[in-house]
Amino acid sequence: SQTIHQWPATLVQPVGSPLSLECTVEGTSNPNLYWYRQAAGRGLQLLFYSVGIGQISSEVPQNLSASRPQDRQFILSSKKLLLSDSGFYLCAWSRPGLTNQPQHFGDGTRLSIL
Amino acid sequence: GNSVTQMEGPVTLSEEAFLTINCTYTATGYPSLFWYVQYPGEGLQLLLKATKADDKGSNKGFEATYRKETTSFHLEKGSVQVSDSAVYFCALSDRAAGNKLTFGGGTRVLVKP
Repeated sequence: SQTIHQWPATLVQPVGSPLSLECTVEGTSNPNLYWYRQAAGRGLQLLFYSVGIGQISSEVPQNLSASRPQDRQFILSSKKLLLSDSGFYLCAWSRPGLTNQPQHFGDGTRLSIL
Repeated sequence: GNSVTQMEGPVTLSEEAFLTINCTYTATGYPSLFWYVQYPGEGLQLLLKATKADDKGSNKGFEATYRKETTSFHLEKGSVQVSDSAVYFCALSDRAAGNKLTFGGGTRVLVKP
């Protein structure tokens, strides 16, 4: 069966510090991968998605970037965090090549910027 | 573009009450529809799905029917439990939009004993 792992679960960082959140998927090949942000009490905003190694699409202009160095690894980064980067970050995967497939989510990383 | 609209919460119920969460959508193509549930401090879990008109998705006592004529996918449960307290998200996936999910804003449900 497929599993998705995100870490860390919780992170407190000062403004201006760098960020690296990692997501890995097991049990499937060439998944579609997604990063979402959920602000407190709000819905989900798609930040990035990837259909393959090195292929990243950005949905909104922002202070963050994403990379996919390996087939089942998706990394969310920032060089200098802003207060507005606080939120709950969720990674998700879906099966490749098929239409209208559900996405499966990790447990999320709660990021607080001080 | 695609959009999903859900009723705003919070919805507060007593245990064993009937729950309905309304969801309507607009889409350019022929979407699949989903309900996700998010328990406190956790990620989203797929609750149920429907891929074409008149399909009924069901899981854990929850049901939702894909109504193309009213562009709706309302979530229902006949008798809620305290453990159903969570945030519920309606979402659609549209091939015309690259299979990306479009989410509603979420509805918080609180079930009191």
